[in-house]
Amino acid sequence: AQRVTQPEKLLSVFKGAPVELKCNYSYSGSPELFWYVQYSRQRLQLLLRHISRESIKGFTADLNKGETSFHLKKPFAQEEDSAMYYCALLGTEYGNKLVFGAGTILRVKS
Amino acid sequence: EAQVTQNPRYLITVTGKKLTVTCSQNMNHEYMSWYRQDPGLGLRQIYYSMNVEVTDKGDVPEGYKVSRKEKRNFPLILESPSPNQTSLYFCASSLTSGISSYNEQFFGPGTRLTVL
Repeated sequence: AQRVTQPEKLLSVFKGAPVELKCNYSYSGSPELFWYVQYSRQRLQLLLRHISRESIKGFTADLNKGETSFHLKKPFAQEEDSAMYYCALLGTEYGNKLVFGAGTILRVKS
Repeated sequence: EAQVTQNPRYLITVTGKKLTVTCSQNMNHEYMSWYRQDPGLGLRQIYYSMNVEVTDKGDVPEGYKVSRKEKRNFPLILESPSPNQTSLYFCASSLTSGISSYNEQFFGPGTRLTVL
């Protein structure tokens, strides 16, 4: 079964502090993983995908197959990073099916 | 502007009164999908469509219907809404249904539905 777990509902950090949003997955095949972000009053949008190995807005995420994790990290949080973050896994059962975690609210305090 | 639109954005209704939430995309995408977002549960897929006249159930299809008569539109129909369908609904689309990390899903702005 495909499952994505985000253990923290809320993560609160001070501006300038490091951020790590945790994501663990369960999947028997080779996973395709993503982070989506939803800023206040905006639609859900793609932040980054593991296959691109990119850094977006200072965020990075490394796929660790041994630990089945895809944690999102940023060395110095900014207030504009405050949002809801979803980890998602692309499954192979039926077409382009994304399985989402429950989401983590990130609050960056000044 | 390339986008996914949903209407209405907000809706309050009563139990049993049929309603339709529309979804439209202008990107000529083949794949469209409906999700509901609930606190603590994240986004769960309701129905999806790989192309015109091709639809299938997602994880939580009970109480919902969809149709895909045209490529750009994918309405969500609640024949007899109940209070447990109170939720935030998102429509999404992507170019194809192929498995590819580059096949990004684009989301609509969401529809907040309250069923009394």
